[in-house]
Amino acid sequence: ETGVTQTPRHLVMGMTNKKSLKCEQHLGHNAMYWYKQSAKKPLELMFVYNFKEQTENNSVPSRFSPECPNSSHLFLHLHTLQPEDSALYLCASRQYGLAGEGTDTQYFGPGTRLTVL
Amino acid sequence: SQQGEEDPQALSIQEGENATMNCSYKTSINNLQWYRQNSGRGLVHLILIRSNEREKHSGRLRVTLDTSKKSSSLLITASRAADTASYFCATASSGNTPLVFGKGTRLSVIA
Repeated sequence: ETGVTQTPRHLVMGMTNKKSLKCEQHLGHNAMYWYKQSAKKPLELMFVYNFKEQTENNSVPSRFSPECPNSSHLFLHLHTLQPEDSALYLCASRQYGLAGEGTDTQYFGPGTRLTVL
Repeated sequence: SQQGEEDPQALSIQEGENATMNCSYKTSINNLQWYRQNSGRGLVHLILIRSNEREKHSGRLRVTLDTSKKSSSLLITASRAADTASYFCATASSGNTPLVFGKGTRLSVIA
């Protein structure tokens, strides 16, 4: 798990709070992802960044705001969340190739367990 | 959606037995991957099989792919208590698209 790190590992916040999740990958990859994992649901892809540019936003509510300042770091800024947003938030990275030379395996961080009160 | 659907949802076996999990998907794929997740942790990649492959092995893992049936299976032989985890299949429609995951199979191996 040292390839992709996430902080904090656990977060409890009220609905009016503002907090941020951080992800850092040490693998030299150029693509990073945020996934949400709720109980008894498939992993939901939230955001995709390729070469620091957001290329996908899967209809995620605006109370979730991603930021990718460079290819190694990815943030998820949270504000005015709802209790149903409580979940495990997973970050992943991979090597994306424009000519199909990238790798297909995604590497995941350990996740941030978020509880919204 | 080409979301994978694992079957069964939960599986409980004795140590030393083999465990078989299945995955079905809906549309054509470039590759299919299996991941493992220990409780509340991140996912770890186990094995990848490409659409032009039918079977792959890695240690005690054996994966098969039947593109005509849009299905895959993961076999873990001689299971151990440490294999207890959730197992997910994930599909990619092309080489650069993000993976789409199923709900997973929860495997319990009883010592």
